[in-house]
Amino acid sequence: RKEVEQDPGPFNVPEGATVAFNCTYSNSASQSFFWYRQDCRKEPKLLMSVYSSGNEDGRFTAQLNRASQYISLLIRDSKLSDSATYLCVVNPGSARQLTFGSGTQLTVLP
Amino acid sequence: ETGVTQSPTHLIKTRGQQVTLRCSSQSGHNTVSWYQQALGQGPQFIFQYYREEENGRGNFPPRFSGLQFPNYSSELNVNALELDDSALYLCASSSADGTDTQYFGPGTRLTVL
Repeated sequence: RKEVEQDPGPFNVPEGATVAFNCTYSNSASQSFFWYRQDCRKEPKLLMSVYSSGNEDGRFTAQLNRASQYISLLIRDSKLSDSATYLCVVNPGSARQLTFGSGTQLTVLP
Repeated sequence: ETGVTQSPTHLIKTRGQQVTLRCSSQSGHNTVSWYQQALGQGPQFIFQYYREEENGRGNFPPRFSGLQFPNYSSELNVNALELDDSALYLCASSSADGTDTQYFGPGTRLTVL
């Protein structure tokens, strides 16, 4: 079983749609959680950290369920510029070593 | 941008050769992590350096080695290159402020022929 598993995708959605990505992690001792965004042939960029209480940044909402070892990302009112690969990332607790999922590709269509 | 720089941008090598990739961390960051990202996959952790010492290693063979310098810049060395080493190599810097946020450089795309 992979340490971090994500929806396989790809997701193709129209502009303005709401889209949700899910992720599960295997290490119950994991300390911190993130969503990164990666554009084609570019480096990953931090989108947002994920907290147990849930957090929101504009159109983006992230949720963490430690009991189910589940992380989600909700994007509302999708824009063309949201097209990218979204990476679910977990710190398993040792020296800030990040474990990445394989990513979910999102394409927002006009 | 993140302030993390990497060189070179692209590199082509042949099997059996050796390669050195370089990374300059963001100002104020003393930790550098290296990742390998194969096509269609998420980045895989190679190792991390903190204050010039290796501070954790992923599932990579010993022919992957590294260094961190007093100014916190870092090198990744790969010996005896194999075709499967073709990938995007990313470095990420972070600080010792208790957060886990890592900031990535633009990467070096290595092709092994």
